[in-house]
Amino acid sequence: DSGVTQTPKHLITATGQRVTLRCSPRSGDLSVYWYQQSLDQGLQFLIQYYNGEERAKGNILERFSAQQFPDLHSELNLSSLELGDSALYFCASSVDSGSGNEQFFGPGTRLTVL
Amino acid sequence: AQSVSQHNHHVILSEAASLELGCNYSYGGTVNLFWYVQYPGQHLQLLLKYFSGDPLVKGIKGFEAEFIKSKFSFNLRKPSVQWSDTAEYFCAVNANQAGTALIFGKGTTLSVSS
Repeated sequence: DSGVTQTPKHLITATGQRVTLRCSPRSGDLSVYWYQQSLDQGLQFLIQYYNGEERAKGNILERFSAQQFPDLHSELNLSSLELGDSALYFCASSVDSGSGNEQFFGPGTRLTVL
Repeated sequence: AQSVSQHNHHVILSEAASLELGCNYSYGGTVNLFWYVQYPGQHLQLLLKYFSGDPLVKGIKGFEAEFIKSKFSFNLRKPSVQWSDTAEYFCAVNANQAGTALIFGKGTTLSVSS
């Protein structure tokens, strides 16, 4: 158990819908990262938040957005869902935003878009 | 842009065989290097990391990796694999000047038969 929790574990929805994925970082960690893992693209960085503020953006679609709340949990919002958005979405957390910090990964949310 | 290449998509070994998984990255500056493992049904876990110093780093469960700067490589090794090492292995890089997100390779699936 990494200490990072993600809900829900599985999510099945239809194209065009909107979903919200939730992540609670390890106690004391200020930085949260979101990654998408798909068969064709592998593990890709989406976005990072540090202490409530957006810190870095990766290959995140405009239909996706995220935020980090004052209690440091984070939510990833995916809208106008397409079949290709089906993937495993991981959240990771680290102590701060330093490049050498180990990132601890949650168990992931498996999203299936039908 | 940074990228990570893992040469072996699927490796099949018998117990007690030696393992070497290749990883090359493309980035000219200072990097931090990581190997993560994902056991079936579990979250990503850090095996080992290299930030600086001795290029031969030792991780958990008998794994080690060698950073060869001239070859932009960070290969993972284990002298004698066990059935329980069956998992997917990901090499990742983080460049100090490019933020703290991890850039992952596509992963190598290791299957160990007893």
